[in-house]
Amino acid sequence: GESVGLHLPTLSVQEGDNSIINCAYSNSASDYFIWYKQESGKGPQFIIDIRSNMDKRQGQRVTVLLNKTVKHLSLQIAATQPGDSAVYFCAENLSGTYKYIFGTGTRLKVLA
Amino acid sequence: NAGVTQTPKFRILKIGQSMTLQCTQDMNHNYMYWYRQDPGMGLKLIYYSVGAGITDKGEVPNGYNVSRSTTEDFPLRLELAAPSQTSVYFCASTLSLGANVLTFGAGSRLTVL
Repeated sequence: GESVGLHLPTLSVQEGDNSIINCAYSNSASDYFIWYKQESGKGPQFIIDIRSNMDKRQGQRVTVLLNKTVKHLSLQIAATQPGDSAVYFCAENLSGTYKYIFGTGTRLKVLA
Repeated sequence: NAGVTQTPKFRILKIGQSMTLQCTQDMNHNYMYWYRQDPGMGLKLIYYSVGAGITDKGEVPNGYNVSRSTTEDFPLRLELAAPSQTSVYFCASTLSLGANVLTFGAGSRLTVL
């Protein structure tokens, strides 16, 4: 499963620290955004989503921030754990359309 | 509730061979998708379906075909496999187009030699 994400940007964080992963989206009309986590050899797993009428949404240990002015999303992971090591990527969608656009992803490495 | 199930998980093909990647979902989702994932690239849409009997091309359909005879199943067929089709393939589904999460299968890794 290592061929996925071979040339991705990597974020290395110490266990217990907070992680911030960024994503620039492409379509200013997109109004729905999703963060996925992909572990080696597995399919993308849903983490959290946000609609464009919100700037921030919190889940368990995760927060997504949306800045529509600069077309930017971020995923914050609190108290990063070894199990958080994975590739994270964002997806954008214009609700009512079939098309999802996916970012290339960031590899998160958690250092013990 | 198994979600989206893909088979096989791994396959090696010779150039010119054909095969079908299977995808089934048990969530009664109307919309189903096939993507390919190449190193360092975002997921690229091959084909999608908005319901049984209806399919349409995505960004990279050449060399592939699909069918959707039931709500549950959305197989992807590769005719005359080429090295450029070496990739990881993901099937996904969603209930409707109203800001809904795409649920993915575990993927099928295909190597064409």
